[in-house]
Amino acid sequence: DIQMTQSPSTLSASVGDRVTITCRASQSMSSWLAWYQVKPGKAPKVLIYKASTLESGVPSRFSGSGSGTEFTLTISSLQPDDFATYYCQHYNSHFGQGTKLEIK
Amino acid sequence: EVQLVESGGGLVQPGGSLRLSCVTSGFTFSSNWMSWVRQAPGKGLEWVANIREDGSEKYYVDSVKGRFTISRDNIRNSLHLQMNSLRVEDTAVYYCAREYKWGQGTMVTVSP
Repeated sequence: DIQMTQSPSTLSASVGDRVTITCRASQSMSSWLAWYQVKPGKAPKVLIYKASTLESGVPSRFSGSGSGTEFTLTISSLQPDDFATYYCQHYNSHFGQGTKLEIK
Repeated sequence: EVQLVESGGGLVQPGGSLRLSCVTSGFTFSSNWMSWVRQAPGKGLEWVANIREDGSEKYYVDSVKGRFTISRDNIRNSLHLQMNSLRVEDTAVYYCAREYKWGQGTMVTVSP
């Protein structure tokens, strides 16, 4: 059973900043990882799948990298719409604890 | 196009039961692990259960073990979640998932 550890739990940043969120798996999971954005009252939105593939329609400022046990989600230049909570997930299994991205 | 359509949610009293269903299309259902995930109001995402392609392996989050049962019908390309002994804390939107593709969700409300 692969457990996911996501960090940080909270991240304060400003519009225009570059931010990175990390997700570590308890054992290797190849590239079977997705990143989701969650906003209050809305359905979760997939941003990245297969660790680094950008979902159609997602802005190119989002990017994912990594394989095996360590993965990152990077937002290259924060926009006002990006302040939300982000989760990593091993396909069909556990999520990370979530990272709340707040306005500094 | 991958499509996942959930149904079966509703309002139920604590201790009651519900059976969620998910009808799928656009991919080879019998070749894929499938899962259920949920999001409680104001809370984060939680994986609930998953099932192997042929149904021979099933795994559950600790909080639902012994109460929920995941199953699949590879003829009808459908996934199910039988939820018994429901608790207030099971209130959530439940999503059927194949890898990173999810359905639109079905709301389960457990309330006296």
